[in-house]
Amino acid sequence: EPEVTQTPSHQVTQMGQEVILRCVPISNHLYFYWYRQILGQKVEFLVSFYNNEISEKSEIFDDQFSVERPDGSNFTLKIRSTKLEDSAMYFCASRPERGYTGELFFGEGSRLTVL
Amino acid sequence: AQSVTQLGSHVSVSEGALVLLRCNYSSSVPPYLFWYVQYPNQGLQLLLKYTTGATLVKGINGFEAEFKKSETSFHLTKPSAHMSDAAEYFCAVSADNQFYFGTGTSLTVIP
Repeated sequence: EPEVTQTPSHQVTQMGQEVILRCVPISNHLYFYWYRQILGQKVEFLVSFYNNEISEKSEIFDDQFSVERPDGSNFTLKIRSTKLEDSAMYFCASRPERGYTGELFFGEGSRLTVL
Repeated sequence: AQSVTQLGSHVSVSEGALVLLRCNYSSSVPPYLFWYVQYPNQGLQLLLKYTTGATLVKGINGFEAEFKKSETSFHLTKPSAHMSDAAEYFCAVSADNQFYFGTGTSLTVIP
């Protein structure tokens, strides 16, 4: 069964460093999302992406965050200068354009630890 | 705009007892509703979903949920709790191209 894959599964970085989290959405999906879950807290919406541009973003998604679809398969989340409070699990999700039943298909997550 | 409220951030039940996790939503359009389970240090696993049709939805691991439009609720139940059910449970609502999670309920199962 097709699935969303994320890499790396866990990344440890120093404060101030740039981090890129990668996602490969399901191949025929056209809407892409990033969510964040700080340890022990709820899963929060960061950004949605469609047709090569951001369609919606939350207040969490400030200027240090960016998303990109560099090729036909990858969808990346870049954090330009990481802070301690960026430590979280980041989930990528995708959905099709047609036949949408409201469900997002989530990856297994990338755990980011900022020291 | 959509929102999800999960009453009770922590629920404890005895093994074999009924599990009831509450979820209420608000939505300006007919919603799609979901329950996810998250085991420690793992990703989100879809338990069940309501899109259209029958309002009582059965999911994996013996869980089910009933969509009650009049009560704007989508409570999750399981007749008999098992130790392996201990996890974090998230209710989610999808409507109008938005998808939001509730704050989660941590389920503890007491032997």
